[in-house]
Amino acid sequence: DAGVIQSPRHEVTEMGQEVTLRCKPISGHDYLFWYRQTMMRGLELLIYFNNNVPIDDSGMPEDRFSAKMPNASFSTLKIQPSEPRDSAVYFCASSLVWGKHNEQFFGPGTRLTVL
Amino acid sequence: DAKTTQPPSMDCAEGRAANLPCNHSTISGNEYVYWYRQIHSQGPQYIIHGLKNNETNEMASLIITEDRKSSTLILPHATLRDTAVYYCIVTPGGGADGLTFGKGTHLIIQP
Repeated sequence: DAGVIQSPRHEVTEMGQEVTLRCKPISGHDYLFWYRQTMMRGLELLIYFNNNVPIDDSGMPEDRFSAKMPNASFSTLKIQPSEPRDSAVYFCASSLVWGKHNEQFFGPGTRLTVL
Repeated sequence: DAKTTQPPSMDCAEGRAANLPCNHSTISGNEYVYWYRQIHSQGPQYIIHGLKNNETNEMASLIITEDRKSSTLILPHATLRDTAVYYCIVTPGGGADGLTFGKGTHLIIQP
């Protein structure tokens, strides 16, 4: 099992550019989550999907951020235009909910630097 | 408001048991206690969870007090690879929700 796959692992861009982060969840998982981690704010939930449908996007910081899940095996998080304060590590996680157990499997993260 | 309170850091000698406390005095009846850890530069990793009974798996044990207002994660024989930030999270069962991470406890295993 390859686990959750994220790409790219590192991204350096200039302010104002569009950034797209990608995630492939574990096959068969029905939930997908996007988190952001910074030193100042720690780990924050941005948005999550159930069966490809966005359920809660209240953590998305502003309209510059958007996320899509066109199918069960792929999701994107897009920032347009990017700003230096978006610099962070972005994690994708997936889970298969059964009974009352919800174990989330995290990817390795994408380290984004906006200059 | 934080739902859990953890010490910011702890040290433990290699080979000893590491006991990580968590206070969750406002926990509701349908909420579970989950523990995750994050090793430097990696994504968080699930360790264990429980509702009211003590739980044990190959990684750790979870002791929940009878009133459920606090819990302790026990790593029975800590190794250097257990150095990480440990997060105690309270979350409802019965479905997936995004996890709310606090600041966690930075556990440092000393050789």
